[in-house]
This record gives sequence, C-alpha cells and structure tokens, in this order.
Amino acid sequence: GAVVSQHPSWVICKSGTSVKIECRSLDFQATTMFWYRQFPKQSLMLMATSNEGSKATYEQGVEKDKFLINHASLTLSTLTVTSAHPEDSSFYICSASTAAGSSYEQYFGPGTRLTVT
Amino acid sequence: QKEVEQNSGPLSVPEGAIASLNCTYSDRGSQSFFWYRQYSGKSPELIMSIYSNGDKEDGRFTAQLNKASQYVSLLIRDSQPSESATYLCAVTAGKLIFGQGTTLQVKP
Repeated sequence: GAVVSQHPSWVICKSGTSVKIECRSLDFQATTMFWYRQFPKQSLMLMATSNEGSKATYEQGVEKDKFLINHASLTLSTLTVTSAHPEDSSFYICSASTAAGSSYEQYFGPGTRLTVT
Repeated sequence: QKEVEQNSGPLSVPEGAIASLNCTYSDRGSQSFFWYRQYSGKSPELIMSIYSNGDKEDGRFTAQLNKASQYVSLLIRDSQPSESATYLCAVTAGKLIFGQGTTLQVKP
C-alpha cells in the first residue's frame, strides 16, 4: 500500500519552456501532497505543501508564479515549472500523506529528473 | 546550527553487523521523527517513524528517540550489502526537515 507515482520520470526541455509533472497517489486518498527539490549531493528541500481544493503554501524563497501547483483531487497534484531555466534542473519529488499537515508519514513518488538546456 | 544534523559518513560495516545511525535536531517542539532510505538516483523510502520516547522495533530495524537529548537513532541488525544507501533522518518542525543523510556501506 501507500504507492505514489510520478510522471514523467525524466524530462529534458529547452530554456524558456514549461514543464508539467504529475503526482498521483494510487491506492489511497492523499489529504496533503508535498513537492520537494533535491540538487546533487544535497538533501531534500520542501518547495510547497498543497491540500486538495486549496491554494498551495510555498516555502520562503520559492517563486509561486514560477512553480505552479494544482491539487485538483485527492489523488492528483501537478507541478508546472514555467519558463524553465538551466538553474531549475533538479530532481523533483512529490510525497503524499493521508493526514493533513507534515506530522504524519509521507510516502514519496519515484521523482522526476528535469534537465533544462 | 543546522536543524537536523547527521554525520555524512561513510559508515562502513561488515555484512551481518549492526549499523548504528544517529541524528540530532534543534527544535525542541518537534513531534514526529522519521528515517528514510535513499538509493543513489532514487527517491526516499520510509523505513521507520517514531513519535514518543523510547525504542520502536520493526523487524531488523530499531528506532530510538530521546527528546530530552534531541537525539534519534536507527539500528539495523544483520545489515546486508543491498542496504548500502544514504539514510535520511527527518523531523517535523512545522514542516518535514531532512538531514543531509549518512551514507552506509555494508561490505560483503
């Protein structure tokens, strides 16, 4: 149980274009979904928290107009990187929780490796 | 001071030995503590969660929490080469905060 999928697993795009990443909870309803970013040799950094039907809460320093998050249902959240630049190249990982807030177990998707050329 | 600190390692143990991984955290208000395993190029996998002081055992894994000392540990008994990975300690302090991880090498 507690399986989270992400699509695509990797993507290469040109600078200035937009990329959408999907995160789905396959066998449970995710009250809360989280988006993380991980640069090489670094740990995961939370970008934003989203609850179904409401606006995402972004961490300090994360541009909400650049990283658009939509949490349309209890099983699907999307992250759109708009006007991507090479410095946005990273490993993007979503996670999902069955409960509200971050105090409960989070189950991670397999991640999406984004390369912006 | 980092919010969640781990020794980056590598921690090298022989196959079958006990691997001991440690973590300290700075926020005394932290309520939830997790250990994740991350293989190179992959996303984290939840191993254990612990919420109260003391030990919590799950198979070959034991998590230990000491809130007074702000210390969390993970013991892996009979460690296997396939468990060579980076082990991430994560603590909730309003949000889930990860340590930098400890690289574990289990040598055959």
